[in-house]
This record gives sequence, structure tokens and C-alpha cells, in this order.
Amino acid sequence: GEDVEQSLFLSVREGDSSVINCTYTDSSSTYLYWYKQEPGAGLQLLTYIFSNMDMKQDQRLTVLLNKKDKHLSLRIADTQTGDSAIYFCAESRPHGSSNTGKLIFGQGTTLQVKP
Amino acid sequence: DSGVTQTPKHLITATGQRVTLRCSPRSGDLSVYWYQQSLDQGLQFLIQYYNGEERAKGNILERFSAQQFPDLHSELNLSSLELGDSALYFCASSVEAGLNTGELFFGEGSRLTVL
Repeated sequence: GEDVEQSLFLSVREGDSSVINCTYTDSSSTYLYWYKQEPGAGLQLLTYIFSNMDMKQDQRLTVLLNKKDKHLSLRIADTQTGDSAIYFCAESRPHGSSNTGKLIFGQGTTLQVKP
Repeated sequence: DSGVTQTPKHLITATGQRVTLRCSPRSGDLSVYWYQQSLDQGLQFLIQYYNGEERAKGNILERFSAQQFPDLHSELNLSSLELGDSALYFCASSVEAGLNTGELFFGEGSRLTVL
């Protein structure tokens, strides 16, 4: 199907690690992304991973990709209250044989960070 | 500030009416994307334009249409509005037509309420 799936809600304590999970559907997706949406704002790209990679680390963020299971995760180390937001995973869905296309987003995971 | 400007920020209208949402992409970006974000459907891709031409189409209803003008701004027209069209409509832009690093720059959205 078309769906990219995420759990809807995650609550953690400040200083803990957060892990947000996502499953996607299209094995031909070349890139997978994590976007962040803060209240009242648009989405902002956090990080992305190319489909031939297993892991990517960027400061407090670690992205893990299991291509066999079509599973993507975002780990946020030392989660802060400022990390409270909605996190969207997305896959690139090519349009035909060209590299134009669209990003298909999951429903978003609301991360609540308690002090 | 992503550099993408959307107007109006909020719009309240009645069923059966028609509205136009406007988007100015980031300076230099040739590609414009429209997304609809609703509580039950999540973030749905509607349509993409690149340098004035339609490049990819998603779950866009026939009652909706869009275009990109020579100055690269884009408009999304929604007609015969129904209650279910109430949503946040995002415009995003990128430099290229293709999905390379996948960085889309999102506007803050236009919140449409249909009464």
C-alpha cells in the first residue's frame, strides 16, 4: 500500500533517549527522511539517510535503517524539552523512471518531553 | 524562517465556496509542492510543479487545481468546498525537480476552516 506508518505518541523524561520508529512500503525509495514540526510551524528537515546506508549519526540524532524489514528509526540522545514536537518520517517515491516525484509522509509521532 | 511564504494564514469560509491559497517559494527554488495536513489523513501530497509545469500528482481532488506562474509563485484553488476540506495546507519548495537530498522547505501553512 501507500502508507508510511508511525506510532502516534511518545512520552519521555528530559535527559532520556527517545526512539521514534517508522515502517515504509516502497523498497525502491532512494532516500528516507525525518522532518520535525514545531507548534504553529511548517516541517523542517532534520536528517536523511540514503537507502544503501544502515546508520547515520548527526550530533544527538542517530538514524537506523533496516532495509530488509523496511524499518527506519530516529534516536534522539539526551532529549530536551525543546525537542517536543511532531516527528515525521518520509520516503521518496519516484515518479516513473525520472527522479522527480514526491515525499510520502507518515502520520507523525508526537514527542512529549517531561521535565 | 524557511523563506517560503504562504497567504492567507487563516481562512474561514462556507461550504460550496471557492478559495485560493498562495505560495511564494524560496528565492531560487524552482519546484513547488502542495500538501494537505488533516487530523485523520495526516500529511497528504497533492501536487508538484517545477518551473511552471506540473511534475507529479498525488491525492488531489478534481475540485482542486493548482498552477505555477512565470514568477514561480503558485496558487492552489479549492472549489465547491466541503466540511472535510478543512485542513492545514502546506506549500514547500526545493531547488530541483528531483528528490536528491529531499530537503523541502515548508511554509507555515494556510489553515482553512469550512463551516
